[in-house]
Amino acid sequence: NAGVMQNPRHLVRRRGQEARLRCSPMKGHSHVYWYRQLPEEGLKFMVYLQKENIIDESGMPKERFSAEFPKEGPSILRIQQVVRGDSAAYFCASSPSAGSSYEQYFGPGTRLTVT
Amino acid sequence: GENVEQHPSTLSVQEGDSAVIKCTYSDSASNYFPWYKQELGKRPQLIIDIRSNVGEKKDQRIAVTLNKTAKHFSLHITETQPEDSAVYFCAALDTGRRALTFGSGTRLQVQP
Repeated sequence: NAGVMQNPRHLVRRRGQEARLRCSPMKGHSHVYWYRQLPEEGLKFMVYLQKENIIDESGMPKERFSAEFPKEGPSILRIQQVVRGDSAAYFCASSPSAGSSYEQYFGPGTRLTVT
Repeated sequence: GENVEQHPSTLSVQEGDSAVIKCTYSDSASNYFPWYKQELGKRPQLIIDIRSNVGEKKDQRIAVTLNKTAKHFSLHITETQPEDSAVYFCAALDTGRRALTFGSGTRLQVQP
């Protein structure tokens, strides 16, 4: 059973460009979460999605950031017009679809560097 | 919203000693408390978790305790080994929301 997959692992963008980060959850998981980790800090929740639905985006900046989890394909976190402050590690996690299992399993992360 | 505080920020122990990391949370609705281990440049790995209907849980050298009344929970690692060196994060989750709130992390260094 493959774990959570993220790509790319490293992404370099110039200020003003767009960044697209992809996440494929574990098999059988349909809950996806995105977290951001600044250097030497903890992880901060950004958004929680289920297939075709954004459930909670309370941690995501209102401008320039968007997320989706289409019926087919990976979840995508999109950052438009990146700025230096967007440089961070972005982790995706997934959890089982139903029942009372709350464990979240993390992908390897995408390290975004804005130059 | 939930706020999780974690102490200490750094912890150095000798190999074979025990290590204890403590966390407090603010939201009484939180009812699931996982602990993650993160090595440098790697993903956070779930190492143990506890739910609010349980006071203690143990898995080999790792144990977690929870005091719901005081709103604090702790990670205990016994017989530490150099490979335990990493950053450890506690987290709290309100299962109605599903978003984890993380502590700021504890850098554990086990000296051989």
